[in-house]
Amino acid sequence: RKEVEQDPGPFNVPEGATVAFNCTYSNSASQSFFWYRQDCRKEPKLLMSVYSSGNEDGRFTAQLNRASQYISLLIRDSKLSDSATYLCVVKTGNQFYFGTGTSLTVIP
Amino acid sequence: NAGVMQNPRHLVRRRGQEARLRCSPMKGHSHVYWYRQLPEEGLKFMVYLQKENIIDESGMPKERFSAEFPKEGPSILRIQQVVRGDSAAYFCASSPNAGELFFGEGSRLTVL
Repeated sequence: RKEVEQDPGPFNVPEGATVAFNCTYSNSASQSFFWYRQDCRKEPKLLMSVYSSGNEDGRFTAQLNRASQYISLLIRDSKLSDSATYLCVVKTGNQFYFGTGTSLTVIP
Repeated sequence: NAGVMQNPRHLVRRRGQEARLRCSPMKGHSHVYWYRQLPEEGLKFMVYLQKENIIDESGMPKERFSAEFPKEGPSILRIQQVVRGDSAAYFCASSPNAGELFFGEGSRLTVL
């Protein structure tokens, strides 16, 4: 079983829409959780860390459910510039495990 | 504060040659991670180093691949006797405390 699993999409949404991505992880001992975004042929960039209580940064809200081993990312009022691949990342021990990413395209 | 610097950005090698990829972490960061990404695939962990020490190399092939992070200078990922299957983007990331990762722009290796 993969350490981190994501729906690859693609998600094609109109500008202004709300979109949610989900991610599950397999190791209950995982200790830290993140969302990164990666633009085509570029490096991954940290979007936000995910805390147990849930956290919000502008239009982005991340939630963690440790019991279900589930992480989510909600993007409100989508912008064209949100088009990218969103990577769910889980840290277990020394290693950071990356999901294969969920592709988002925001359409004018 | 300069970001993570990787070079070369693009490297072309013929089968059997050696590839050396360099990574200078952000100032103050002593943790370095190397990842490989094949087209249309996710990032695969290769190795985690701290200054002068390899902490975890469980993701790195036992043969032909090696990594170091000397006391002075950049971290180096070395691939000997490259094969076509080594063609990929190699990303380095650094961290001040093994928490959040900050990535370099990557080195794209093409093996002819």
